Amino acid sequence: EVRLVESGGGLVQPGESLRLSCAASGFTFSDHWMNWVRQTPGKGLEWVASVKSDGSQTYYVDSVKGRFTISRDNAKNSLFLQMTSLRGEDTAVYYCARDPGPGGIGWYYFDSWGQGVLVTVSS
Amino acid sequence: DIQLTQSPSSVSASVGDTVTLTCRASQDIIWLVWYQHKPGRAPNFLMSAAASSQGGVPSRFAAGGSGTEFFLTISGLQAEDFATYYCQQPNWFPLTFGGGTKVE
Repeated sequence: EVRLVESGGGLVQPGESLRLSCAASGFTFSDHWMNWVRQTPGKGLEWVASVKSDGSQTYYVDSVKGRFTISRDNAKNSLFLQMTSLRGEDTAVYYCARDPGPGGIGWYYFDSWGQGVLVTVSS
Repeated sequence: DIQLTQSPSSVSASVGDTVTLTCRASQDIIWLVWYQHKPGRAPNFLMSAAASSQGGVPSRFAAGGSGTEFFLTISGLQAEDFATYYCQQPNWFPLTFGGGTKVE
C-alpha cells in the first residue's frame, strides 16, 4: 500500500523559513516523480512543485520560484520542500503527491496523496 | 499557462440524480484528469478523460471530452459522492487545476 506522510508544518511569521518532509513507503520511491500540491483556506488546489525521479529536474509554480526548493533523498525514501521568505498567501495545507508514471517517466498527475500538513504564515 | 475553468462552481443534487461537471481549457490540450476531494481528507484521483474506465472507480463515473471541453458525469449519485471535484491538466508545466465544482 502506498503511504505518504508529511511533517514539518506549523505557524511561522512572514519572511521566515520552514522545511516540509514527506516519508514515502509501499512503492519504489526512486521510480517516481514526486510533487507538492497545496490548498489555501477556502480555495482550491494549486500545484506547487515537481521533482524528477532521480532529482535531476525540478519545476515550480511562478509564485514560489526563487523562494521554495523541492528535493528528494531516494536512499531515505523522502521528499522535501524548503520554503523561505514565506508570505501570508503561502498559508495552506501542503500535500505530498506521487506521479504514477513508472520507471522515472512523468505522467504529471497525482495518483496517491498524503493527508497534508498545515502551514500558517502570520504575524 | 493553461487556465482551467470549471462549471458550475456548485451544484445542488440529490441521491439518484445525474450530474455533469464541465472543465474548459484556455487552449487545446490532449487530456486531463479528475479528482474527488472531501473536507479534511486527501484528494482522491478518479480518472482521466482519456480513459473509458479506471480501476476501482464505480461505473457511475464517466469522463470524456477533447480539445478544450471536458466533462465528468456521475450517473445515479450516491451519498459518498457529495464532494468537490477538480480537473487538472498534465500536459504542460505549470500544472494547473480548475477551481472546483462542489456537489452538495
